[in-house]
Amino acid sequence: GAVVSQHPSRVICKSGTSVKIECRSLDFQATTMFWYRQFPKQSLMLMATSNEGSKATYEQGVEKDKFLINHASLTLSTLTVTSAHPEDSSFYICSATGTVNTGELFFGEGSRLTVL
Amino acid sequence: AQSVTQLDSQVPVFEEAPVELRCNYSSSVSVYLFWYVQYPNQGLQLLLKYLSGSTLVKGINGFEAEFNKSQTSFHLRKPSVHISDTAEYFCAVRKNNAGNMLTFGGGTRLMVKP
Repeated sequence: GAVVSQHPSRVICKSGTSVKIECRSLDFQATTMFWYRQFPKQSLMLMATSNEGSKATYEQGVEKDKFLINHASLTLSTLTVTSAHPEDSSFYICSATGTVNTGELFFGEGSRLTVL
Repeated sequence: AQSVTQLDSQVPVFEEAPVELRCNYSSSVSVYLFWYVQYPNQGLQLLLKYLSGSTLVKGINGFEAEFNKSQTSFHLRKPSVHISDTAEYFCAVRKNNAGNMLTFGGGTRLMVKP
């Protein structure tokens, strides 16, 4: 199957700083990427959908100014958590779909953010 | 709107016993159905999917699921589990006429005991 890679897998930062998480499709062109957030022992909650070259579409309740999403190329999307606070600590997962509609999403390994 | 319900948050089972993880969905349109597995601190791995055709779908690691349209269910089964099957399992639904957005169930933690 197609490979999606996230970096970093773990990051610890101080409150008030910004953190960037990268999501890359390694062997296919990802026309659409999705960013999810997962709290401990809970399901995945969709944060936003990004299409290459256009602005991301955010789900209700997700602050677009706090969670900046960029999808500048067909193989890379980034999520920047700005002015992070301890409540932003979470597991962030990206997924991607390619130009061929196979009905499947491919998921990254996830990035665990801890804000001190 | 569509929703996905996984009726059991935790399922403890002994090794080599059979297991069924339940998933029900609601949707006003036709859907695609998926089961994903998540190991600790990892992303999601696709176990199997139903798009069309045969309602019994076989996936990786010996898992299978059956799509039941009348009961709007897509239960996951394995005849004999291993310790290594201990993980979180997510059922997901995607409308087949609108993009690729998945709606996930709450997850079921399968705990296989020796």
